[in-house]
Amino acid sequence: ETGVTQTPRHLVMGMTNKKSLKCEQHLGHNAMYWYKQSAKKPLELMFVYSLEERVENNSVPSRFSPECPNSSHLFLHLHTLQPEDSALYLCASSQEGSVRELFFGEGSRLTVL
Amino acid sequence: GQNIDQPTEMTATEGAIVQINCTYQTSGFNGLFWYQQHAGEAPTFLSYNVLDGLEEKGRFSSFLSRSKGYSYLLLKELQMKDSASYLCAVNDDKIIFGKGTRLHILP
Repeated sequence: ETGVTQTPRHLVMGMTNKKSLKCEQHLGHNAMYWYKQSAKKPLELMFVYSLEERVENNSVPSRFSPECPNSSHLFLHLHTLQPEDSALYLCASSQEGSVRELFFGEGSRLTVL
Repeated sequence: GQNIDQPTEMTATEGAIVQINCTYQTSGFNGLFWYQQHAGEAPTFLSYNVLDGLEEKGRFSSFLSRSKGYSYLLLKELQMKDSASYLCAVNDDKIIFGKGTRLHILP
């Protein structure tokens, strides 16, 4: 138990569907992140929210839309995805400062048909 | 550009010692992380090096040479539960990850 909870753990969707991934952290951190983990590729940073403001958007296609309503919750809204978007999506949180150790959730495994 | 290299896979024997190397070329550097990730689980923090030298934490140690852009993770007295992927990551204002090294432990 890392203090970061992601739902759903597994999601299968068609290319025309709209779905959302949810992340909740119980650690009192002030920064939250979305990472994409594909086979044989490094973890790719997608979005960073610090104090509920988006501070990083790593050239992610607009079919991925993040939302951070408060410092404990982070969403990733998905629509008209492509099969190559199938991956493990990891949420993480940290306390902004010199170390910025990331605490990860267990991920949402997404399959796009 | 940003580049972090580590071996894709390694195999070692239970009870032995293994060293996982990581080299990096990044525009900035604030520190280097090592994370462990078991299959199907979240990555978990192992170590963070800011200064040159060796930091020991139980069976695991991490070394950093900033001038060489080099780090290694040393695992001693290997156990079967150490079978996992080990991720090297550089803190360059944002955290940049390598592809990870999958470590297989043989009985």
